Amino acid sequence: EAAVTQSPRNKVAVTGGKVTLSCNQTNNHNNMYWYRQDTGHGLRLIHYSYGAGSTEKGDIPDGYKASRPSQENFSLILELATPSQTSVYFCASGARTGGNTGQLYFGEGSKLTVL
Amino acid sequence: GDSVTQMQGQVTLSEDDFLFINCTYSTTWYPTLFWYVQYPGEGPQLLLKVTTANNKGISRGFEATYDKRTTSFHLQKASVQESDSAVYYCVLGEGGGLSGKLTFGEGTQVTVIS
Repeated sequence: EAAVTQSPRNKVAVTGGKVTLSCNQTNNHNNMYWYRQDTGHGLRLIHYSYGAGSTEKGDIPDGYKASRPSQENFSLILELATPSQTSVYFCASGARTGGNTGQLYFGEGSKLTVL
Repeated sequence: GDSVTQMQGQVTLSEDDFLFINCTYSTTWYPTLFWYVQYPGEGPQLLLKVTTANNKGISRGFEATYDKRTTSFHLQKASVQESDSAVYYCVLGEGGGLSGKLTFGEGTQVTVIS
């Protein structure tokens, strides 16, 4: 069974504070992703990675950094959190193949509130 | 860049009703289209995939096809049940490359009442 786990599941942060969201996958997938989910916008891609040591900008990377220290772990970092970053964040993993299979495995989400 | 637009934000149905959700897409690549479903408290999960225009993707009683001429993509189910209540996303896969990136529509909240 595919397994992607996120921590923390809920986080309240103050404006200007640093927030780190962590993701671990046991699928041995090369690709990992961070999305945020907001009403009216669906899911939007923030950063993604092809493997350990790699990070790439997605569609809305401003205000976020990412780190992929190993195959299993992918972190999303908010150096200076702002209220506009209040959202639900989803991590996902997927196999790197020649065609787009569309099969991503998502974690359960991390709800971040920035006050 | 790639984009997906879902017209219906919310749909409320009774059990055994027919479900139809439509979306439009834009891409410069040959499209690969998916429907994802998200149940409360969970992450999205793949429901089905359509790789060829006018061919059906079928899964769990749901069917999907897309029309390349109108760049539209739709999901349907003949008879919905209360357990089908969820958010359904129209999703466009990035053509070519190895990123596996997906572009999600805004989502349609489907509520089925008994």
